[in-house]
Amino acid sequence: DAGVTQSPTHLIKTRGQQVTLRCSPKSGHDTVSWYQQALGQGPQFIFQYYEEEERQRGNFPDRFSGHQFPNYSSELNVNALLLGDSALYLCASSLGYRKGSGNTIYFGEGSWLTVV
Amino acid sequence: TQLLEQSPQFLSIQEGENLTVYCNSSSVFSSLQWYRQEPGEGPVLLVTVVTGGEVKKLKRLTFQFGDARKDSSLHITAAQPGDTGLYLCAGAASGTYKYIFGTGTRLKVLA
Repeated sequence: DAGVTQSPTHLIKTRGQQVTLRCSPKSGHDTVSWYQQALGQGPQFIFQYYEEEERQRGNFPDRFSGHQFPNYSSELNVNALLLGDSALYLCASSLGYRKGSGNTIYFGEGSWLTVV
Repeated sequence: TQLLEQSPQFLSIQEGENLTVYCNSSSVFSSLQWYRQEPGEGPVLLVTVVTGGEVKKLKRLTFQFGDARKDSSLHITAAQPGDTGLYLCAGAASGTYKYIFGTGTRLKVLA
């Protein structure tokens, strides 16, 4: 039973560039959420995808966008990278789209992004 | 804005000691999860609590959800060096689809 997988694990980008991070959810899961975790802090919610649509969004600018594919995998895109975008980007998957009903979310290992 | 505050932020204890980590909010959560995260890795789920007053045990770890579903605690008995890590609580607020994470408690257990 494959867990949540993310790629790449590490990458370095230059300010102003664009980056795409990828996520495959846990087998059987259909909902994907993305989080940003800066060094020494807890994860911050970016957005959540279900049925290929963005369902909810956190306090992140439009430079952060995403996509979910028919096979439930997802991408996170960040445009015009800033130094402050350097962080661990975590993908989490869950089953169903329920309002805080206790459906558990499972995290991948994350993608470390360094912007120089 | 819904916030989850964890205390203490940092904790360094000797092997064999007991400890409690607290997760508090002024908001009601329909469920709450505890994670442990090690450096360079994603958070690993420890437990999910859903019912107010619920207590769950996972070996030496005891988790409790407050009666009003606004707070939670994690108690570790006879801590071991392998318990070292960042402990995070995350709550799913009623009427939303996102999990809000606490500020984290960084635990170090010395041998």
